[in-house]
Amino acid sequence: GQQLNQSPQSMFIQEGEDVSMNCTSSSIFNTWLWYKQDPGEGPVLLIALYKAGELTSNGRLTAQFGITRKDSFLNISASIPSDVGIYFCAGQSTGNQFYFGTGTSLTVIP
Amino acid sequence: NAGVMQNPRHLVRRRGQEARLRCSPMKGHSHVYWYRQLPEEGLKFMVYLQKENIIDESGMPKERFSAEFPKEGPSILRIQQVVRGDSAAYFCASSPRGTSGGGSYNEQFFGPGTRLTVL
Repeated sequence: GQQLNQSPQSMFIQEGEDVSMNCTSSSIFNTWLWYKQDPGEGPVLLIALYKAGELTSNGRLTAQFGITRKDSFLNISASIPSDVGIYFCAGQSTGNQFYFGTGTSLTVIP
Repeated sequence: NAGVMQNPRHLVRRRGQEARLRCSPMKGHSHVYWYRQLPEEGLKFMVYLQKENIIDESGMPKERFSAEFPKEGPSILRIQQVVRGDSAAYFCASSPRGTSGGGSYNEQFFGPGTRLTVL
């Protein structure tokens, strides 16, 4: 299957700092989605990207669809304690499957 | 997450028993996807269904696992003769239409999951 590498695996940051994480794939994707998952809950969709080079914001979150179509980035500005959770990227090439990254665990220290 | 319902939220089974997991998609969504998540791992695709049709079951084990999405009622993921390795969180997601169409109709919304524990 497709390989999705997500990094970093975990992050510990101070409240107010900015956060960056990224996802790379071994092949070209047509769609990238970014999700946040809280413990014991299902993933919640944050941002969806459909075109290479696309830059989309959702409040303090900004995500980009890489030009090569093999990567995507998620940035969180001015982090707050409720940003704590696990962030997953998901990509789709052709076909029906979305492939998920292994997740970035974010801890925000007040 | 709003709208996609899964039950039960927690399910405990002994080895050899059957597990039945239910998923009701968001209103207006006719496409359902099942994923499995092991602790500290990402989600792994299992099966994609439309009403009364299995579209893609390439991620589902060939034996003991089956899924359906009948014309009426929720989608069911059924695991027969469960083993300890089946212990995981199982998530259902729904979308307005199939993923091959692209665009915003591609977006999948997840339910809260069913945590299966096999003793």
